[in-house]
Amino acid sequence: DTAVSQTPKYLVTQMGNDKSIKCEQNLGHDTMYWYKQDSKKFLKIMFSYNNKELIINETVPNRFSPKSPDKAHLNLHINSLELGDSAVYFCASSPFIGGSETQYFGPGTRLLVL
Amino acid sequence: AQSVTQLGSHVSVSEGALVLLRCNYSSSVPPYLFWYVQYPNQGLQLLLKYTSAATLVKGINGFEAEFKKSETSFHLTKPSAHMSDAAEYFCAVSNNNDMRFGAGTRLTVKP
Repeated sequence: DTAVSQTPKYLVTQMGNDKSIKCEQNLGHDTMYWYKQDSKKFLKIMFSYNNKELIINETVPNRFSPKSPDKAHLNLHINSLELGDSAVYFCASSPFIGGSETQYFGPGTRLLVL
Repeated sequence: AQSVTQLGSHVSVSEGALVLLRCNYSSSVPPYLFWYVQYPNQGLQLLLKYTSAATLVKGINGFEAEFKKSETSFHLTKPSAHMSDAAEYFCAVSNNNDMRFGAGTRLTVKP
């Protein structure tokens, strides 16, 4: 009964390829997020969605495109992968939009671009 | 814009010793503050959070943190470290829907 799940867990691919990471939450939350964690463990928000609407879109290359088909899912598609995209990508969700809300994180997707 | 600074990227303590992980924040409005823990190869898990109620916040696994507005700090403590506390710890500040994380502090516990 994983609360926030991500697939795949590991992703190894060549430069220039296109890949997608899927995220699902079964907590009934309204808000979902994508974070990137680099090799130094620095965690940076990329996107957030509330009720399928984009709320935060940080300075991220437009090769990254999030898609939220419904409140429980937030997928991340990456075009033309580059070496610098290698990182761990975390999906998270929170009950509502708002600063005091706890975010619940998925286990992460480890992306390695060769 | 809000931000947090975690002093010390790596802290090492002996088992049974006091754990102190430091976090200072910057925020133009009253902040919400969080401590998350990340065990190896896992996602982040909430330890505790401050949301303008009591300034001393108790969390899971015996951790607590005190919000000090005058010092703009939210340091994390635990009286007695356990081997299972070895992990990466992240302080975060949130305003509306925008959560910003510190760079993290790796806690090592020596037997």
